[in-house]
Amino acid sequence: KAGVTQTPRYLIKTRGQQVTLSCSPISGHRSVSWYQQTPGQGLQFLFEYFSETQRNKGNFPGRFSGRQFSNSRSEMNVSTLELGDSALYLCASSPNLQNTQYFGPGTRLTVL
Amino acid sequence: GEDVEQSLFLSVREGDSSVINCTYTDSSSTYLYWYKQEPGAGLQLLTYIFSNMDMKQDQRLTVLLNKKDKHLSLRIADTQTGDSAIYFCADDGGSQGNLIFGKGTKLSVKP
Repeated sequence: KAGVTQTPRYLIKTRGQQVTLSCSPISGHRSVSWYQQTPGQGLQFLFEYFSETQRNKGNFPGRFSGRQFSNSRSEMNVSTLELGDSALYLCASSPNLQNTQYFGPGTRLTVL
Repeated sequence: GEDVEQSLFLSVREGDSSVINCTYTDSSSTYLYWYKQEPGAGLQLLTYIFSNMDMKQDQRLTVLLNKKDKHLSLRIADTQTGDSAIYFCADDGGSQGNLIFGKGTKLSVKP
């Protein structure tokens, strides 16, 4: 089975722009979670989607949003980018809610 | 809030055993996980343990769980240079579902 895929792998944006990241879960997995990884804060949970509904949300501003499609693929969007949004954004999928999570390779976002 | 703590660095010689330790605060955790991250890569699931188990062995990996002390450890036998990476401990936050990660332990394996 193919693993979790994330596109693009690398992205460079400037402050004030917006960005959309995409995640395709492992085939058959219905839950997708997003995490932000920075050197200072480590790995922090952004949100979790299941059956196209956001089930859980971390402590991030409203500039961070996401959605899940009927095929379980997910996107996350960050609007009005700030320098501090530079990070590795990791997507994880699991068969159902509260199951073991399998991670993708991440999208490295650099905000200039 | 709930917290997971790990030491930041560990250095071992090739062929030795490595032991990476982790403590957590969430008493409602159901599963505890170990993930490995190599440079420029995502997180690779190494192993996990159910909270009512004391030990789990998987080839070179042994996980020990002391639920009373909320202490988790990962032992890697016969450590190889390819094991050099950052190792993350995570708990499942009980009913929340999202993973709570430690800061990661950077394992360096010297030949």
